[in-house]
Amino acid sequence: DQQVKQNSPSLSVQEGRISILNCDYTNSMFDYFLWYKKYPAEGPTFLISISSIKDKNEDGRFTVFLNKSAKHLSLHIVPSQPGDSAVYFCAASAYANDMRFGAGTRLTVKP
Amino acid sequence: DAGVIQSPRHEVTEMGQEVTLRCKPISGHDYLFWYRQTMMRGLELLIYFNNNVPIDDSGMPEDRFSAKMPNASFSTLKIQPSEPRDSAVYFCASSSRGLAGGMTGELFFGEGSRLTVL
Repeated sequence: DQQVKQNSPSLSVQEGRISILNCDYTNSMFDYFLWYKKYPAEGPTFLISISSIKDKNEDGRFTVFLNKSAKHLSLHIVPSQPGDSAVYFCAASAYANDMRFGAGTRLTVKP
Repeated sequence: DAGVIQSPRHEVTEMGQEVTLRCKPISGHDYLFWYRQTMMRGLELLIYFNNNVPIDDSGMPEDRFSAKMPNASFSTLKIQPSEPRDSAVYFCASSSRGLAGGMTGELFFGEGSRLTVL
């Protein structure tokens, strides 16, 4: 069962513009949410996270927003750069200590 | 630290053969995870261990798949017999214990093992 869903398989934006990647989840027990970034032939790397007690977390050009009532989170990248082109995975964790990932969204930032 | 180390990086085998993937987690990490990445399903959690004990193997596709963690520095994922639909990239990841008794939330991934079953 897909407890974490990323419904957009791909996204293309122009350099300098904002990239918004979306993620929905179904399990109300999730209390920690993360975004990972993956380049080809490499493992995913941690990007940014947010606890369920917050609704926003910012780190430089990256901001994650959490809407618990809608079971939705999003990652904003602004301004987008060509080096941001990668596959972005949304992930969620419950107190049970496992972590579930979405299917990923391929972001392409065009110069 | 060298990070999570996986081997082999690439494996090509014929249907019916046994495949063994190996993982060395980051020293000191209490949790180890095996994920499989496919185009259709993204990153699927297969199994995870805490202090070398399997905690949840509900993601293991079928009995052909097995995983072990004989000690804190080594884990294997075995497929026997392998089938073409097992072709995927298999990732191992590890993480440390968090303040609340759970994970910090951040997983450290290896570079993956790309398996092709002909």
